Amino acid sequence: EAGVAQSPRYKIIEKRQSVAFWCNPISGHATLYWYQQILGQGPKLLIQFQNNGVVDDSQLPKDRFSAERLKGVDSTLKIQPAKLEDSAVYLCASSLEAGRYGYTFGSGTRLTVV
Amino acid sequence: QQQVKQSPQSLIVQKGGISIINCAYENTAFDYFPWYQQFPGKGPALLIAIRPDVSEKKEGRFTISFNKSAKQFSLHIMDSQPGDSATYFCAATGTGANNLFFGTGTRLTVIP
Repeated sequence: EAGVAQSPRYKIIEKRQSVAFWCNPISGHATLYWYQQILGQGPKLLIQFQNNGVVDDSQLPKDRFSAERLKGVDSTLKIQPAKLEDSAVYLCASSLEAGRYGYTFGSGTRLTVV
Repeated sequence: QQQVKQSPQSLIVQKGGISIINCAYENTAFDYFPWYQQFPGKGPALLIAIRPDVSEKKEGRFTISFNKSAKQFSLHIMDSQPGDSATYFCAATGTGANNLFFGTGTRLTVIP
């Protein structure tokens, strides 16, 4: 079974620039999550999709972050404009059942904002 | 508000020793408690999980102990090996929650 694919692996941008991350979940996983993991901390949920729809985006800074999941498969997360405090690893995960079993994470995208 | 509190932040153990990581939660609706292992440059990977209807679950060298009345659970790694050196996260979810709430992580170093 192929895992959760993410790209790029690393990205360095200047503050106020924009950046986009891509995620391809495990085939058949209806639930997709984007997490932000700041160095030394646990993952924090940014947004959760169930198929095409948003289930939870309460922690997403909507003034600068946006995400979409077209056709219920791939997803992109965008930051515009980036701030220094956005430097983190952005993890995508997918699961068979929302919030529970089969939670599988990708390797993440490490973003550095300078 | 941190839904799941984890300690210690870092842990150094000699090879062959026992590593113990503790977590506590407040939400009594939580009913699923997984532990994740994360190596540098990788995403967290599910290690072992427990439901509150049992007090202990063991898989190989890894054991979860669960104390429902105290709202605490812990991960024990027996015969710790250098290959166990990683960051460990506890997590929790339950009725009404759509996702996992993670602890802050414990960086384990096993010295040969």
